[in-house]
Order: sequence, then structure tokens, then C-alpha cells
Amino acid sequence: GEDVEQSLFLSVREGDSSVINCTYTDSSSTYLYWYKQEPGAGLQLLTYIFSNMDMKQDQRLTVLLNKKDKHLSLRIADTQTGDSAIYFCAPKAPGTALIFGKGTTLSVSS
Amino acid sequence: DTEVTQTPKHLVMGMTNKKSLKCEQHMGHRAMYWYKQKAKKPPELMFVYSYEKLSINESVPSRFSPECPNSSLLNLHLHALQPEDSALYLCASSQGGTDTGELFFGEGSRLTVL
Repeated sequence: GEDVEQSLFLSVREGDSSVINCTYTDSSSTYLYWYKQEPGAGLQLLTYIFSNMDMKQDQRLTVLLNKKDKHLSLRIADTQTGDSAIYFCAPKAPGTALIFGKGTTLSVSS
Repeated sequence: DTEVTQTPKHLVMGMTNKKSLKCEQHMGHRAMYWYKQKAKKPPELMFVYSYEKLSINESVPSRFSPECPNSSLLNLHLHALQPEDSALYLCASSQGGTDTGELFFGEGSRLTVL
């Protein structure tokens, strides 16, 4: 089955860029998602990228995909304290359920 | 209405109790999901209903019993739970079937089993 790895913790200062990395094993993943979970809340879809794309930009968010290395990253520009949350990477292969990585806790200090 | 509503938000139950968690969405989504999330862990898939039929059961113990009365409602019936079942239970829905990973999540029901 799919194995998804993420670094567990990232600490940045307000205004800096944050980069959250993810590696996965299932090369048949067609869509790769990033979800955000704020304390005490459910998950919220942030963005996603199709597997035939290298990059997708959406306002402060940039997703980079290296399909050969099965590596996905999420860059948050001008990180704000409101970005403090847990970020989950979730690759999706056809016919399978969405599997979440272990999650990266982003801590933003002012 | 783009919400998935879960009730109750908090539930405390004894090991001999029978209780239910409820989930509702009015977005016309045809797939609904139950996830279990322990503290500092990712959500783990429990059940998926697609077009009101159970399509995925991730080998969940029978003390958890899902029910999908109609396309807008999803229940999780709980009976004879163990303290290790204490967790945040998240409901989600998606448009169409289960081919998409665009899930809409509720805020969760936090369950404590004494």
C-alpha cells in the first residue's frame, strides 16, 4: 500500500517562507493533495496538483511535484501566524481511498 | 451550504453504553466517509459509503457500525467500546463517488470512552 512520509515539525518566523516536504511510494497516484488542520478542527483542502504537472501556484501557495523522485512540496510565502496548523500530504491513486501522511506541524512565531 | 455538520461535538460514554455519532451534508455529495484520528496522528479511514452503499470497510471492529439512511446522512453506531477507541471521529463527503480526493470535512466528534 501507499506509504507517505513527512517531516513532523517546522518552525518559521512570521513573514518568512515555509516549505513542507512529502515523499510517497505509489507511482500511480494521479492527484496529490494538501490538507490543513487547525487546532480542534477538521481538515480543510488547501490545494492539489495533477500528476502531469510540475508546479501549481495559488496565491501564497506553491506546490512542486517531482514525479520521478515521488517528492511533493508545499511552499507558503509570507507565512502568517494564522498559518500555524498541521499540514497533511495525501496522494490519491485511482480506485483507492485517500491516505494521509503523518502530518507536519507548522509553528509560526511573530 | 458548503458544510458538513457533525453531532455531538463531544461525547463521553462508558464501555457498556450504546451511542451514535451523526453527520449531515446538503451539498448533494454522493460519497461519505468516517475517519478516526488519535492525538498527533493522521486521520485513518474507517468506512466509505458511495451512493448510499458501503464501499470500503477498513477492517473496523464490529463495535463500530455505520449506517447511511440517505444520501445526506451518515451515522456511526457505537457499542461496547474500549478506552482505546477514544479519539476524534471525522466525517467527510465528496461530490460524485470516491474517485476524487476533494473531501469536505466536518469539525469532528470528540469521543471519550471511560
